[in-house]
Amino acid sequence: EVQLVESGGGLVQPGGSLRLSCAASGFTFSSYTMNWVRQAPGKGLEWVSSISSGSQTIYYADSVKGRFTISRDNTKNSLYLQMNSLRDEDTAVYYCARRGFSGCLDPWGQGTLVTVGS
Amino acid sequence: DIQMTQSPSSLSASVGDRVTITCRTSQSISDYFNWYQQKPGTAPKLLIYAASSLQSGVPSRFSGSGSGTDFTLTISGLQPEDFASYYCHQSYSAPYSFGQGTKLEIK
Repeated sequence: EVQLVESGGGLVQPGGSLRLSCAASGFTFSSYTMNWVRQAPGKGLEWVSSISSGSQTIYYADSVKGRFTISRDNTKNSLYLQMNSLRDEDTAVYYCARRGFSGCLDPWGQGTLVTVGS
Repeated sequence: DIQMTQSPSSLSASVGDRVTITCRTSQSISDYFNWYQQKPGTAPKLLIYAASSLQSGVPSRFSGSGSGTDFTLTISGLQPEDFASYYCHQSYSAPYSFGQGTKLEIK
């Protein structure tokens, strides 16, 4: 079964840092571009970042550029999101998702909640 | 950056109805376009990819159409489990934007 499981969320103060992880199983992780997408409470979906299979091509949303860093370890079938200089508006559920045919996102993990506040 | 305009933002309908949700992009994206369904407290689920291809396991009452800048999701014969939020998504160029979402509610 293809599965993605996020971890690492929690409560952090403004200006703080957090590292999210996404563990992949059931497919050849090293062959796929991976993404992070977030959803603030009661709001819509916002694409955050993507990384190609070999880490050659990386993109970020303007809202996180310079503060967040996406990375992957294909030997550990894992995707990461290092989040620095966190702001209140970064509070959201963060999902990892695999990029498939024609760029669709499938599957998605169950999400991990990041809360920025004091 | 490609802007997405999804409408309506909310929709009330009855079981058995046929409903249509539309999404317009600010530039042509061929068929790099997808639709997702999301129920409260759960992750989004892929319904339609490449504008009109039905994801495996998704009921045939869901269909997608369009190309270029105008896209449509149609649900023919609403079922109780279809009341959820729906999002469009362009996968043509980064940043890979989503529409604002459509909340489909029971009338």
